[in-house]
Amino acid sequence: DQQVKQNSPSLSVQEGRISILNCDYTNSMFDYFLWYKKYPAEGPTFLISISSIKDKNEDGRFTVFLNKSAKHLSLHIVPSQPGDSAVYFCAAGVGNEKLTFGTGTRLTIIP
Amino acid sequence: DTGVSQNPRHKITKRGQNVTFRCDPISEHNRLYWYRQTLGQGPEFLTYFQNEAQLEKSRLLSDRFSAERPKGSFSTLEIQRTEQGDSAMYLCASSFSLREKLFFGSGTQLSVL
Repeated sequence: DQQVKQNSPSLSVQEGRISILNCDYTNSMFDYFLWYKKYPAEGPTFLISISSIKDKNEDGRFTVFLNKSAKHLSLHIVPSQPGDSAVYFCAAGVGNEKLTFGTGTRLTIIP
Repeated sequence: DTGVSQNPRHKITKRGQNVTFRCDPISEHNRLYWYRQTLGQGPEFLTYFQNEAQLEKSRLLSDRFSAERPKGSFSTLEIQRTEQGDSAMYLCASSFSLREKLFFGSGTQLSVL
């Protein structure tokens, strides 16, 4: 029962272009969504979040979009930089309780 | 703010042995979480504490697993009679309150031989 799905295990993007990472969820009770970034041998690092009362949240080069009717969210990174190469996890929860994570998307930025 | 600290970073043990991991959360954070991550998967929730009270345990946390948070400060996660299937990265996270983002430690990588 995978309540949070990231269907693309990997993504390669040219430096300077836009990276779009996608996430789908099935539990309509989720009201808080986050993106985390993870480098090898390190714990996940918080990137950006969005509450279900919003449909967009921006922070610098990162923007998260939420489409509640489609139960879909996406993370846009623009422009993409080599340091953005990492595994990105989508997470969802009711409040911040016991977040449910997706399986991750490995983003590779090509110089 | 020194971040969430986990020790040890790596643990190699033989099947059947007991292991204990420690997590020191960010000092003012009253919520502490344990997650487990295996290769190719996202972190999976194990349990969480608010102060010293353990509020929820996942069904993933079998009877061989026990977590404590005495005095609402650091936490320990013990695995008794380890099995090869316990091999994973064990992640600790803390937050100040509900709806505040989780800060993760670097994890403890457990290998059971």
